[in-house]
Amino acid sequence: DAEITQSPRHKITETGRQVTLACHQTWNHNNMFWYRQDLGHGLRLIHYSYGVQDTNKGEVSDGYSVSRSNTEDLPLTLESAASSQTSVYFCASSESVIPYEQYFGPGTRLTVT
Amino acid sequence: AQKITQTQPGMFVQEKEAVTLDCTYDTSDQSYGLFWYKQPSSGEMIFLIYQGSYDEQNATEGRYSLNFQKARKSANLVISASQLGDSAMYFCAMRETNNAGNMLTFGGGTRLMVKP
Repeated sequence: DAEITQSPRHKITETGRQVTLACHQTWNHNNMFWYRQDLGHGLRLIHYSYGVQDTNKGEVSDGYSVSRSNTEDLPLTLESAASSQTSVYFCASSESVIPYEQYFGPGTRLTVT
Repeated sequence: AQKITQTQPGMFVQEKEAVTLDCTYDTSDQSYGLFWYKQPSSGEMIFLIYQGSYDEQNATEGRYSLNFQKARKSANLVISASQLGDSAMYFCAMRETNNAGNMLTFGGGTRLMVKP
C-alpha cells in the first residue's frame, strides 16, 4: 500500500544545531508540503513543492529550507534550530487533480532545548 | 484577516447525538475547495470530507456531512450519531486556486469531546 512516512518521529536537539526531518511518500505524488502545528494555530505551511527541483516558501518559512531531488522525498532542514521551532511537523502529499486531497504523514515531534 | 475561522475551541456532545462544528471562510476565488480533517489523540491527520465550491449538493461521507452555505461562506461539519471514537480535534481547511497551486489553509481547530 502507498504511504507517507516521516523520520524521526521524535527528536530533541540543541539551539543552533542543524536538523533535517525526512519525508518519504510512495504515492508518486508531485505535490508535497511541510506544515508545523502549534497549540492554537492549527497547521501552518512552511514550504511546498510541485515537482522535482521545485520549492516554494509558505506562510512560516523563515529558518527552514527544503530541496526536492526526486519525486518521493522532501526533506526539511532547520539551518540553526531555535526554541521557537519546537513544534510538531507534518509532511503531506497530494495528487495534481481535484480535489487535491492531501495525505499526511504521522508527524515528527521536535523539541529544541 | 483569518481565511478560515473555527469559533468553537471545544465542544461536548452526548454519545449518539448529532453535533455541528462551525467553519467560516474568506476568499475572493470563484473556484475553491473545503476540507475537514480529524486529528485523534494519536496525532495523525485523517481526511473526512470535501466540498467543491461548484458542487450543488452538500457532501456526505457516512456519518459526516458538510453543510455548505456559499453565500454565508460557511462549511459546517455535521456528525450524526456521535461515537466515543469521534472525540478528537477537527480542522477545517480551504484550497484556493489563486495561490499558484493547491495549498491548504487551516483553521485553528475544534476539540470535540463525546460523553458516554
